[in-house]
Amino acid sequence: QVQLVQSGAEVKKPGASVKVSCKASGYTFTGNYLHWVRQAPGRGLEWMGWINPHSGDTISAQKFQGRVTMTGDTSISTAYMELSRLTSDDTAFYYCAKSLTGTLLDDYWGQGTLVTVSS
Amino acid sequence: QTVVTQEPSLTVSPGGTVTLTCASSTGAVTSAYYPTWLQQKPGQPPRTLIYSATNKHSWTPARFSGSLLGGKAALTLSGGQPEDEADYYCLLYYGGAQVWVFGGGTKLTVL
Repeated sequence: QVQLVQSGAEVKKPGASVKVSCKASGYTFTGNYLHWVRQAPGRGLEWMGWINPHSGDTISAQKFQGRVTMTGDTSISTAYMELSRLTSDDTAFYYCAKSLTGTLLDDYWGQGTLVTVSS
Repeated sequence: QTVVTQEPSLTVSPGGTVTLTCASSTGAVTSAYYPTWLQQKPGQPPRTLIYSATNKHSWTPARFSGSLLGGKAALTLSGGQPEDEADYYCLLYYGGAQVWVFGGGTKLTVL
C-alpha cells in the first residue's frame, strides 16, 4: 500500500533552515510528482510547490521562491523540502502529498511535520 | 497575485443539501484549472475528495459531487451527515506558471 512517512517535529530559531523528509513506499517513487503543502496553526492550507522525482524538476509558489529547495533521493525513495531564513510565520505543519497523474493531487498524504520557529 | 475565494462558513441540516463554491480572481473557473476539493477534519491531514472538477477518489462518499457552475467550481453535498462536518478546501491549477493555489477554505457545520 502507498505510504508517505515524514520526519519528526522540529524546533528552529529565526534565521535558521529546516529540512523535512518524506519517504515514499508502495509505488514507483519516480513515477509521480510530490507536492508540499503547509498549514499554520488555525489557518488554511497553503501550496508550496512540487517536485518531479524522476527529472528533479521543481516548481514553487512565488511566495517561497528563493527560500525553498525541493529535492529527491531516488535511491531511498525520499523527497526533501528545505526552507531557509525561517521566521515565526513559518511555524506550521508541513505535508507531502503524492500526485495522481501529472501534478494532479492523489489522496495519499504524509502525516505532517510540525516545524516550530521560536527564539 | 492570484486569489481563490470560497465561502468562509456554511451550515447544512442533517440530510440536507449544500453547495460550496470556488472562484478565481483571474476569471471563470473551467476544467483547465483542474479543480480539486479536499476535506480536513481537526487534527488530521487533508484528504482529497474530488479531482479534475468531477472525479471522485475511491474513498469519496457518493453524497459528494463536484461540478462547474456559473464560472465557479462547486462541491455539492447531498444528504449531509454529522461526519461531514469539516473544513473544505478548493485547489486550482494555473497552467501558465504550473502552480496550484488553495482557496481560504469553507468551514461546514452540520446542524
